[in-house]
Amino acid sequence: TQLLEQSPQFLSIQEGENLTVYCNSSSVFSSLQWYRQEPGEGPVLLVTVVTGGEVKKLKRLTFQFGDARKDSSLHITAAQTGDTGLYLCAGAALNTDKLIFGTGTRLQVFP
Amino acid sequence: DVKVTQSSRYLVKRTGEKVFLECVQDMDHENMFWYRQDPGLGLRLIYFSYDVKMKEKGDIPEGYSVSREKKERFSLILESASTNQTSMYLCASRGRGAYNSPLHFGNGTRLTVT
Repeated sequence: TQLLEQSPQFLSIQEGENLTVYCNSSSVFSSLQWYRQEPGEGPVLLVTVVTGGEVKKLKRLTFQFGDARKDSSLHITAAQTGDTGLYLCAGAALNTDKLIFGTGTRLQVFP
Repeated sequence: DVKVTQSSRYLVKRTGEKVFLECVQDMDHENMFWYRQDPGLGLRLIYFSYDVKMKEKGDIPEGYSVSREKKERFSLILESASTNQTSMYLCASRGRGAYNSPLHFGNGTRLTVT
C-alpha cells in the first residue's frame, strides 16, 4: 500500500509567520494535489502539480513537486488567520486512477 | 460550480443497525467516491464507481457496500453498523478522464455508532 506521510501533523503559529508543510512517500506518483479543508466542509482543491521539480504559486502559497515525484511541499508566506484549516496532499498512483491521501496537517493561525 | 450534497450532516445509530448514507452530485460526473476520514489517517477510500451500476472496492471496503442506480446518486450502506465505523464520511465526484482532475467533495456526514 502506498503511503503519504505529512509533517508536521499540527502547526500553531501567529499571523505573519512563514511555514512549510511536507508530504513524503517512498513511491512515485503521476501527479500530486493539495487540498484545504475548513471545519464543517469537505476538502477543496488548491493546486495540482504534475512534473518533477514543478513549482506553482497561488498568492502567498508556494507548492513544489519533488524531482523524483515522490514528495511535495507547501510553503505559506506571512500566514493569515484565513489560512487556518486541514491541509491534505493526495498523490495519483501510477497506472491507476486512485488518489492516495496524506495523513493531513492541521494549521491554526492566531491573530 | 459542482455541488455534491450529502443527505445528513450528523447521524447517530445503534450497533447492528443498517445505515444508508446518500450522496448526490449535479455535474453529470462519471466517477463517484466514498471516503472515511479519521484523525491522523487522512482520507481512506472505501468504494468508488466509474459508471452507473459499476463499483470497485477501495482500500477499506470491509463492512460496507454501495449502490449506484442513477448517475447522480451514490449510496454507502453499512449492513450492520459497528462502533469502529464511527467516523466522518465524505463523498466526492470527478469527471471522466484525467486522473489529476479535481475531486469535488460534499460537506461530510459525521456518523456515531453507539
